[in-house]
Parts: sequence; structure tokens; C-alpha cells
Amino acid sequence: GDSVTQMEGPVTLSEEAFLTINCTYTATGYPSLFWYVQYPGEGLQLLLKATKADDKGSNKGFEATYRKETTSFHLEKGSVQVSDSAVYFCALSDLGTSGSRLTFGEGTQLTVNP
Amino acid sequence: DGGITQSPKYLFRKEGQNVTLSCEQNLNHDAMYWYRQDPGQGLRLIYYSQIVNDFQKGDIAEGYSVSREKKESFPLTVTSAQKNPTAFYLCASSIAPRRGYTFGSGTRLTVV
Repeated sequence: GDSVTQMEGPVTLSEEAFLTINCTYTATGYPSLFWYVQYPGEGLQLLLKATKADDKGSNKGFEATYRKETTSFHLEKGSVQVSDSAVYFCALSDLGTSGSRLTFGEGTQLTVNP
Repeated sequence: DGGITQSPKYLFRKEGQNVTLSCEQNLNHDAMYWYRQDPGQGLRLIYYSQIVNDFQKGDIAEGYSVSREKKESFPLTVTSAQKNPTAFYLCASSIAPRRGYTFGSGTRLTVV
């Protein structure tokens, strides 16, 4: 079945540092890929998405490129801020096998210190 | 503005009681979902519904029940059969999974 593997957290960075959160996936079809962000005590918000190979999703300074050859969708940001502290979830939608469901990774806790 | 509303934000339940969590959306989405999140953990799917009057069990349906009588509403009942109900519950909806989900702000349930 489909699966998503994220780098283990927690991740702690200083303000203005470069961020990478790794995400790899397994899917039998041709999935759409997503990054969601969850701030403390809140629901998940869609951060960015990509629907086909080599697509780059971007939002609020975050970027991720759909790499079919390495089955990856790593999240990057060039300069993090304290306000980026949150939990980040990678997810995929593969209509052929998962039907109406998204498959989520376990989440990566990011803390940015001033 | 369209969105998903979950209520209440905080809910306290005595052991042995059933409680119902509300989820309402005005996005005209066909599919709706319920997830459970425990501290420091990922999301686990409880139930989902792709159309009115139809729903399917997710990965951890035992001790929970749902109904989908209206497109806008997908309430979740946590029954007394759920042995460890204290958790953060998230509702989501989607017009098509390949476009992603829209999430509500969650309900935190605590058994006292």
C-alpha cells in the first residue's frame, strides 16, 4: 500500500537558518503530494502541493519539488523565522490505490529559536 | 467565507458516557473525514464519507460511530466502548483528494 516517510524530529534551528525536512513516499500509482502545517492547538493547513513530476510547490517562502526518480518531496526554506515553529506533515493522494484518502507521514516538529 | 467548523473546541466527558463532536462545512465538498491525533503523534483515520448516507470505517473505527444525513454535516460519536478517548479530533473535507483536504480547527476531548 501507499506510505509516506518523514525525517524524524524534533528539529531545532536558529532564526534565519536553512530548513530541510525530508519526505519520501511509496505509491503504486501517480500520486499528488502535499505539505501541511499544524500550529499548536490548531488544525492542519495546506502549505503547498504538487501534482506531477518536476512540479515545484511554493508558499510563504517554503518550497518542495516532486521528484519521481527518487520518490521524494523534501520541504525547504532558505531562512526560517520563529513564527515557522510548528509540526509539518507530508502527505500523498494516490487515487488508484488509496481511493478517497490521503496518506500522511508521522509529522516533524520544528522549533525555531530567536 | 467557506470553511469547516468544529464544535466544541474543548469537551469533557465522564467515563461511560457517549459524546458527539460536531463538524459542519459550507464548501460544498462531497467527502468528509474524521481523524484522531494523540500528543506527539500523527493522524489516524477513524471514519470517512464520500457521499451523503454512506460512510466507511478507517483504521481505528472501534468505539466510534458517525452519520452523514446531510452533505454539510458529519458528526462523530465517541461511545463508552472507546477505551481511551482522550485525544485531539480533527474533521476534514475534500472536493477531490488529489486537491487536498481542508481541515477544521479541532476538538480536544478529555475524559474526567
